[in-house]
Amino acid sequence: GAVVSQHPSWVICKSGTSVKIECRSLDFQATTMFWYRQFPKQSLMLMATSNEGSKATYEQGVEKDKFLINHASLTLSTLTVTSAHPEDSSFYICSVRPAGQGEGTEAFFGQGTRLTVV
Amino acid sequence: QQQVKQSPQSLIVQKGGISIINCAYENTAFDYFPWYQQFPGKGPALLIAIRPDVSEKKEGRFTISFNKSAKQFSLHIMDSQPGDSATYFCAASSLWSDYKLSFGAGTTVTVRA
Repeated sequence: GAVVSQHPSWVICKSGTSVKIECRSLDFQATTMFWYRQFPKQSLMLMATSNEGSKATYEQGVEKDKFLINHASLTLSTLTVTSAHPEDSSFYICSVRPAGQGEGTEAFFGQGTRLTVV
Repeated sequence: QQQVKQSPQSLIVQKGGISIINCAYENTAFDYFPWYQQFPGKGPALLIAIRPDVSEKKEGRFTISFNKSAKQFSLHIMDSQPGDSATYFCAASSLWSDYKLSFGAGTTVTVRA
């Protein structure tokens, strides 16, 4: 089946530093990728929609200057958490919708990145 | 606010039993209803999905029942196995707009051997 790869799987960083998370679509091109955040024992909350070749669309309450998203190609989107603080510690998951697909398109998820800010 | 309400928060079932998880939505523009299974430390994986033009869809031991008039849908896991112990999320989206998935709060299922 389709594979979405996230890197790294986990990262520990010091407060005030920046962390970049990569999301790669290995089996298909994706014009749209989604970034979610999930706190322990909670649901997935959509942070932003990453659009290839254009600016990301952020959900209400998500700081776009803190969570920088770049979708430079049809197979790669990156999320950079800038000036990370302990409250940014969470599980970050990307999701991909294959380009050129019609209705019923499945959303494929990466394996997630566990970010711990100390 | 949560656009999809899911219950129960958790459930325990004996091996071989039936697990039932319920979801309700308000947005009538939703036309795609997937269920995801998530194991600890992993991303969600699609289990089964349904469109509103059918009332039931079955794949192996997993069945979705859909009630369009009540705006409710449910997941039934038949013959539950210990390997089914996971967190299950229902979701909904509109395939003709932005395809954003709205997730339910999740249900942690524990299957006792």
